[in-house]
Amino acid sequence: GQNIDQPTEMTATEGAIVQINCTYQTSGFNGLFWYQQHAGEAPTFLSYNVLDGLEEKGRFSSFLSRSKGYSYLLLKELQMKDSASYLCAVKETGGSYIPTFGRGTSLIVHP
Amino acid sequence: EPEVTQTPSHQVTQMGQEVILRCVPISNHLYFYWYRQILGQKVEFLVSFYNNEISEKSEIFDDQFSVERPDGSNFTLKIRSTKLEDSAMYFCASSAAEPYEQYFGPGTRLTVT
Repeated sequence: GQNIDQPTEMTATEGAIVQINCTYQTSGFNGLFWYQQHAGEAPTFLSYNVLDGLEEKGRFSSFLSRSKGYSYLLLKELQMKDSASYLCAVKETGGSYIPTFGRGTSLIVHP
Repeated sequence: EPEVTQTPSHQVTQMGQEVILRCVPISNHLYFYWYRQILGQKVEFLVSFYNNEISEKSEIFDDQFSVERPDGSNFTLKIRSTKLEDSAMYFCASSAAEPYEQYFGPGTRLTVT
């Protein structure tokens, strides 16, 4: 089984930088996803990390440390449209490739 | 830009009835998925499908659920006898290569009364 923890809610100011953390406990690790989900809409893929380190994609970056069971999503130059829920999802090894989602972090960006 | 489509957008059904939720994945994708999200709760994986068979399924995906790819474009989720607790948003997703970027459809909101 897995345990995935994310903060429930965060607030930030337009133009700022915000870091959303995700910690997980799993018996075998096979990758971590970050998704963005606006209210009432489908999740949108942001990133996939399977090796340690930072992956940058435009204003969004994702970091992974497998030894610490830790990942973060970094959002730069925040815009109002970045107000959404950010979902961390982990896939295990060991014969099962079923992704387990965290409850998501609701990010509110204010002017 | 290619996208995953789902129909209907909202389905209301009575408890015990069968429902079929339909999805058209992106045309060159090979891996297909169903997820559900009960209102206010986290996204839950139901099943993945590749090469015309189920590759993985979760504990939620019991005998009441089935998936099918009846032709070259559609991917369906059938719930044989719906229960109140099946009320949720059901998302279809597809990807070109597992486990990389999955594209989600807009979802079907299923309401069981």
